[in-house]
Amino acid sequence: NAGVTQTPKFQVLKTGQSMTLQCAQDMNHNSMYWYRQDPGMGLRLIYYSASEGTTDKGEVPNGYNVSRLNKREFSLRLESAAPSQTSVYFCASSDDRGLGTKNIQYFGAGTRLSVL
Amino acid sequence: AQTVTQSQPEMSVQEAETVTLSCTYDTSENNYYLFWYKQPPSRQMILVIRQEAYKQQNATENRFSVNFQKAAKSFSLKISDSQLGDTAMYFCAFGGNDMRFGAGTRLTVKP
Repeated sequence: NAGVTQTPKFQVLKTGQSMTLQCAQDMNHNSMYWYRQDPGMGLRLIYYSASEGTTDKGEVPNGYNVSRLNKREFSLRLESAAPSQTSVYFCASSDDRGLGTKNIQYFGAGTRLSVL
Repeated sequence: AQTVTQSQPEMSVQEAETVTLSCTYDTSENNYYLFWYKQPPSRQMILVIRQEAYKQQNATENRFSVNFQKAAKSFSLKISDSQLGDTAMYFCAFGGNDMRFGAGTRLTVKP
């Protein structure tokens, strides 16, 4: 089972460049999430999507855009990368319908992004 | 605002012994979920255990158990018979769609 797949695993950008982080899940989950992880700060929610066609801001949305392309895919875009966006980015998904699995988030392996 | 606090940045334990990781949170909600996630050096986030706030019984999962004190807003994780493979960062998390994570506790299990 693939679970949650993120691409790429590593990326180096120059300040001002743009890029899109891709995420796909094969578990038929309705909710998907993007987090960033910085040293000493745990994970912080950037955006989430509770269902196809909907997106909501999390704790740190500034500088990012997202697209819920379909039920499987949720992408994160940096339009003009800044050094402050150097971080590890995680995508996650959850099935909020089943009582036994409600709100359990399953994570991808992460993308390490450096902005120079 | 919902916040999660892990007051122990680092902890260590001898193999086969028991260790408890602390977590406190702040919320005005009555129904919610609490989680402990493990992040080994591979960076993969792995669910350890989940607690539903409306359940008074503490969750257990093999060697892992929680002490959930709703009135005190406390949610500690106890690891029994610690194993070398338990060495990892442990994150306490609160909520549902808008999940909030603590800063983490780095646990080292020593042989």
